[in-house]
Amino acid sequence: GQNIDQPTEMTATEGAIVQINCTYQTSGFNGLFWYQQHAGEAPTFLSYNVLDGLEEKGRFSSFLSRSKGYSYLLLKELQMKDSASYLCAVRDIGNTPLVFGKGTRLSVIA
Amino acid sequence: GAVVSQHPSRVICKSGTSVKIECRSLDFQATTMFWYRQFPKQSLMLMATSNEGSKATYEQGVEKDKFLINHASLTLSTLTVTSAHPEDSSFYICSARDIAGTSYNEQFFGPGTRLTVL
Repeated sequence: GQNIDQPTEMTATEGAIVQINCTYQTSGFNGLFWYQQHAGEAPTFLSYNVLDGLEEKGRFSSFLSRSKGYSYLLLKELQMKDSASYLCAVRDIGNTPLVFGKGTRLSVIA
Repeated sequence: GAVVSQHPSRVICKSGTSVKIECRSLDFQATTMFWYRQFPKQSLMLMATSNEGSKATYEQGVEKDKFLINHASLTLSTLTVTSAHPEDSSFYICSARDIAGTSYNEQFFGPGTRLTVL
């Protein structure tokens, strides 16, 4: 089975940095994804990690440690539009679908 | 990135009726499409995997006779909610993977269909 855990809610200030953690336990591992989802909309792809280390893409970075079953998404220079849910998703080995965590609702305040 | 469309975006129906949701990959071919369901403030839950030209694979607890899936071509999958009831009200999202896609086989998501059963 698969178990993906992330905090339910977080609040951060505009311009600040926030780190959203995700821990996972899966029988197999073939990549970890982060998606952003605004209310009532479909998820949009943010990042992908399959090897240990940090992947940076503009204001967003994602880190993976396979031995620890741990990832985080780092958002810098927060903007109000970053208020959304952030979903951690893991793919098992093979042509399997993504399994999602429950998502972290981030509120960016002035 | 690749585009996945869904139709309709929003539907309201009476209890007992059937509703069909279409999912199309617009600029790529997808042998596999996935159907997810999302209740308010919850994450996406996989319902079934739709395979072109063969039967869908349903997740545990999802009734295959209630949620009929057809994947007749490499660009179209349909989900029919039969005899819908208020508890079926949810946000249904399809996802497709490009068979000729990136090395990490990104899943592209449709915009979702909001189903409300009265």
